[in-house]
Amino acid sequence: SQQGEEDPQALSIQEGENATMNCSYKTSINNLQWYRQNSGRGLVHLILIRSNEREKHSGRLRVTLDTSKKSSSLLITASRAADTASYFCATPSRAYNNDMRFGAGTRLTVKP
Amino acid sequence: NAGVTQTPKFQVLKTGQSMTLQCAQDMNHNSMYWYRQDPGMGLRLIYYSASEGTTDKGEVPNGYNVSRLNKREFSLRLESAAPSQTSVYFCASSPGTSGRNEQFFGPGTRLTVL
Repeated sequence: SQQGEEDPQALSIQEGENATMNCSYKTSINNLQWYRQNSGRGLVHLILIRSNEREKHSGRLRVTLDTSKKSSSLLITASRAADTASYFCATPSRAYNNDMRFGAGTRLTVKP
Repeated sequence: NAGVTQTPKFQVLKTGQSMTLQCAQDMNHNSMYWYRQDPGMGLRLIYYSASEGTTDKGEVPNGYNVSRLNKREFSLRLESAAPSQTSVYFCASSPGTSGRNEQFFGPGTRLTVL
């Protein structure tokens, strides 16, 4: 069963705009990870945020985590056409174990 | 470094045929994983290997077997393929537990079972 669920399922924006994707999960977690998948390719790790962190930045990416609401958000600022991809959140099914559960993803399209 | 490599890239099987998907990593990672990705469902873990010599079931292990041949290689075998196993299969590796570390993914194998 899926642990994380992304919202929206699809998002279309213009280049230069910001894109926000959300992830909700069901059980307590120790960390949450975000991945990107370009069409027809494997997933690429973007960022890992631990349960004791509220916000984390990496370049144009900003991830927040609200453990009380069991939700996380991924913000991509000043989007580019190259950001067009699917974005997935993933959480361990149990504390720090090897069984990561992925959501169905948000399909982001950035129009030039 | 090649990272995580998978062979073949594409495969078409008939129901009941068997095949082995190969995966290798050159990053000296301890843990390796096999996932399947179906449309609209994200990735689901089939099997994983926390270290050389060990394997464990993931969320959807039925119909599959795995072998951790050595630290570099982790293969996935379908003994008797079924149409429900039509999917894209991804291999991944991580330095340690995936719950603590990022995973590095291969390019995938697109499998169709007729």
